[in-house]
Amino acid sequence: QVQLVESGGGVVPPGGSLRLSCEASGFTFTSHGMHWVRQAPGKGPEWVAVISFYGDSKYYGDSVKGRFAISRDNSRKTLYLDMNNLRAEDTALYYCVREMATASSSYDHWGQGTLVTVSS
Amino acid sequence: SYVLTQPPSVSVAPGQTARISCGGDYIGTNHVHWYQQRPGQAPVLVVHDNNGRPSGIPERFSGSNSGNTATLTISRVEAGDEADYYCQVWHSSSDHWVFGGGTKLTVL
Repeated sequence: QVQLVESGGGVVPPGGSLRLSCEASGFTFTSHGMHWVRQAPGKGPEWVAVISFYGDSKYYGDSVKGRFAISRDNSRKTLYLDMNNLRAEDTALYYCVREMATASSSYDHWGQGTLVTVSS
Repeated sequence: SYVLTQPPSVSVAPGQTARISCGGDYIGTNHVHWYQQRPGQAPVLVVHDNNGRPSGIPERFSGSNSGNTATLTISRVEAGDEADYYCQVWHSSSDHWVFGGGTKLTVL
């Protein structure tokens, strides 16, 4: 079955950096666009970034553009999110999400998330 | 940036029909998706592309989209439907994925 397993979260001071990883299994990784979506405590989901099948297209939410970078290694079936210059408002549960493999822009599978806390 | 507006809360008695709205400029020209999120769990897709239903989602869940409002309809509401619900679209002109603020469904 489809599995998305995030890792790399933790506590980091403001201005710090962190790299999140998401290992995918149970499906053809190169057939799906992949996203990071975050959810701050008590808030709704917020889209962070998307990467196309082979990594040639990437888009970012306005609040993270210029600070975060999404990438993927299709040989390892792994999605990454490099986060720099972290701020308190980046504190959230970060989900790795699979885009449906059709013309749909919906998310048909979510990981369980990895928690990032930005605090001194 | 594109904004999706949902009511903060909706309450309904068991067995009745719940309707959750999602407003946005010309949202009827977009494909709207709906997610259910129970406490402590990741969101789950319940309706995609306005009225598509993923496998495993009961027929009680349906959607519609026209003009400036999309609606998630849950028929014959059960206690287990109590959750937060979020609408979402892909805003093509900005290549941004946008979520609504969410609606807490309470089953009385």
